[in-house]
Amino acid sequence: DIQMTQSPASLSASLEEIVTITCQASQDIGNWLSWYQQKPGKSPQLLIYGATSLADGVPSRFSGSRSGTQYSLKISRLQVEDIGIYYCLQAYSAPYTFGAGTKLELK
Amino acid sequence: QVQLKETGPGLVQPTQTLSITCTVSGFSLTSYYMQWVRQTPGKGLEWMGFIRSGGSTEYNSEFKSRLSISRDTSKNQVFLKMNSLKTEDTGVYYCARGRSAHYWGQGVMVTVSS
Repeated sequence: DIQMTQSPASLSASLEEIVTITCQASQDIGNWLSWYQQKPGKSPQLLIYGATSLADGVPSRFSGSRSGTQYSLKISRLQVEDIGIYYCLQAYSAPYTFGAGTKLELK
Repeated sequence: QVQLKETGPGLVQPTQTLSITCTVSGFSLTSYYMQWVRQTPGKGLEWMGFIRSGGSTEYNSEFKSRLSISRDTSKNQVFLKMNSLKTEDTGVYYCARGRSAHYWGQGVMVTVSS
């Protein structure tokens, strides 16, 4: 099975700060990597799919990138509404696997 | 407009079988993967399995032979059935559309308790 190692587990950042979250895949997954944001009591919301494509309606301050088997989610200027838990998902091969999540808080 | 809604029993006794239905609208089940994901208390997201647009399925081996995913395309419904429930299966169960899970249902809370 493909393992997804997500880091950091938690992150405290200030408004307008640049935030980066990474997921390291244990093997090649191509561009089959998505990022989700989840707020308390809510369903996860897709932010990025195909490693770099912005989902409809997602602010342009969110972006995704890939370097080999390492994938990154960047928030260019942190806003209050960005607080939540972020997950990556590899959908290259079954069983699909989520990263363990990154809890993003305001400093 | 794409919509997904999970419905389930709420409370299930240990050792019993869980049945959840995901009713969709705004698209055809024959065109998209449908996934099931759960979230147990205080934990992250756990991928359970999917049914492909063609009807074949894949499962997370963590659930061994307890899990079954099926669908009724005429009713626009996808089904999750999991037997031999344990208290650790308590959580929120979601269905999601597509290989990249573009759309999610609101989730259904399931409590396994006697």
